[in-house]
Amino acid sequence: DIQMTQSPSSLSTSVGGRVTITCRTSQSISSYLNWYQQKPGKAPELLIYAASTLQSGVPSRFSGSGSGTDFTLTISSLQPEDFGTYYCQQTYDLPWTFGQGTKVEIK
Amino acid sequence: EVQLVESGGGLVQPGGSLRLSCAASGFSFSSYWMSWVRQAPGKGLEWVANIKQDESEKYYVDSVKGRFTISRDNAKNSLCLQMNSLRAEDTAVYYCARVIGGSSWRHDYWGQGTLVTVSS
Repeated sequence: DIQMTQSPSSLSTSVGGRVTITCRTSQSISSYLNWYQQKPGKAPELLIYAASTLQSGVPSRFSGSGSGTDFTLTISSLQPEDFGTYYCQQTYDLPWTFGQGTKVEIK
Repeated sequence: EVQLVESGGGLVQPGGSLRLSCAASGFSFSSYWMSWVRQAPGKGLEWVANIKQDESEKYYVDSVKGRFTISRDNAKNSLCLQMNSLRAEDTAVYYCARVIGGSSWRHDYWGQGTLVTVSS
């Protein structure tokens, strides 16, 4: 199975600040990497797919980059509604696997 | 509007069975792969199973192989997960999710989830 390692596990940033979350995979997955946001008690929502493509309706302050084994999710200017837990997911090979999550709090 | 509504969760004893359903609307259900993804209380997400449009391909995470069966009824726009020989570690919120395939597989729509608790 492809192992996913996200860092940090949690962070706290002020509104307007820049957030960077990294995801490292145990083997190369090309660009088969997705990012999801999950708020407490809610289902996950797709933010980024194919490592860098913004899902329709997602604000442009979210961006993704990377390929191979190292990937990054960036929030350029954190907004109050961006709190929650962010997960990366690889869909290069079955079983599809998720990172352990990064909890983002507003300072 | 795409909607996915899960049902069928509840409390079941270890070794018992449960059948989850997901009612889909707002899109051409028969045109999409579908998934089940679960989340244990306070834990992360775990992909459980995928099913192709015509049921010709089904895939499972190793921990549920031989115990869980994914199926669908395209005439009723319905996705199911039959769960047998349930264990405490199967306790989770179970989400159904639509899959976008092709060059970049991803889950673009999710239901609200249904809670399965396996406990005596």
